[in-house]
Amino acid sequence: SAVISQKPSRDICQRGTSLTIQCQVDSQVTMMFWYRQQPGQSLTLIATANQGSEATYESGFVIDKFPISRPNLTFSTLTVSNMSPEDSSIYLCSVDLTGSYNEQFFGPGTRLTVL
Amino acid sequence: QKEVEQNSGPLSVPEGAIASLNCTYSDRGSQSFFWYRQYSGKSPELIMFIYSNGDKEDGRFTAQLNKASQYVSLLIRDSQPSDSATYLCAVNFVSGGGADGLTFGKGTHLIIQP
Repeated sequence: SAVISQKPSRDICQRGTSLTIQCQVDSQVTMMFWYRQQPGQSLTLIATANQGSEATYESGFVIDKFPISRPNLTFSTLTVSNMSPEDSSIYLCSVDLTGSYNEQFFGPGTRLTVL
Repeated sequence: QKEVEQNSGPLSVPEGAIASLNCTYSDRGSQSFFWYRQYSGKSPELIMFIYSNGDKEDGRFTAQLNKASQYVSLLIRDSQPSDSATYLCAVNFVSGGGADGLTFGKGTHLIIQP
């Protein structure tokens, strides 16, 4: 397994502002993923972030709203831009430690509340 | 359309009994299947994964896969109150293997009654 950390663990933000969430892994991984879990709901994939290439976004998610950086094999950021109350969710990063079998392990999550 | 279906529950099981959780998925070409456990306020924890038809056992947990029926299940033997959680079924819809994002079901809320 790996130790995955996220910062911040929670935040309360004002409408129209942006928040950048950091995900750090204690080992090098090729694949990192960002998910959203809205209140009382299951997880929805936002995008896949590979080091050295542009993030791949799922239907319904766009780069202008959720820009992602992946500067190296242990770190990624997700920015939630121009926030509205509908963006209030838990944002989770995950990593695939196997590199091929897609066994994903999740960070502790960032609980975001937008007022 | 990628879809993973689970009964949301709650599923109530007496302590010591077998809990049976079920999941169906939409794409016959799906390659890998996962069960996550999520306690309230916590992130999902991977407890089982299965790639081949049949059963896979790990301690008190058994995952069962039937690709022809597009059906995955999780059995928890000797259920304990600490097993009370939401269980999420997840599927990798990418054919041919390889790493990709997962599609999750809505989860089944399991309650183990002491």
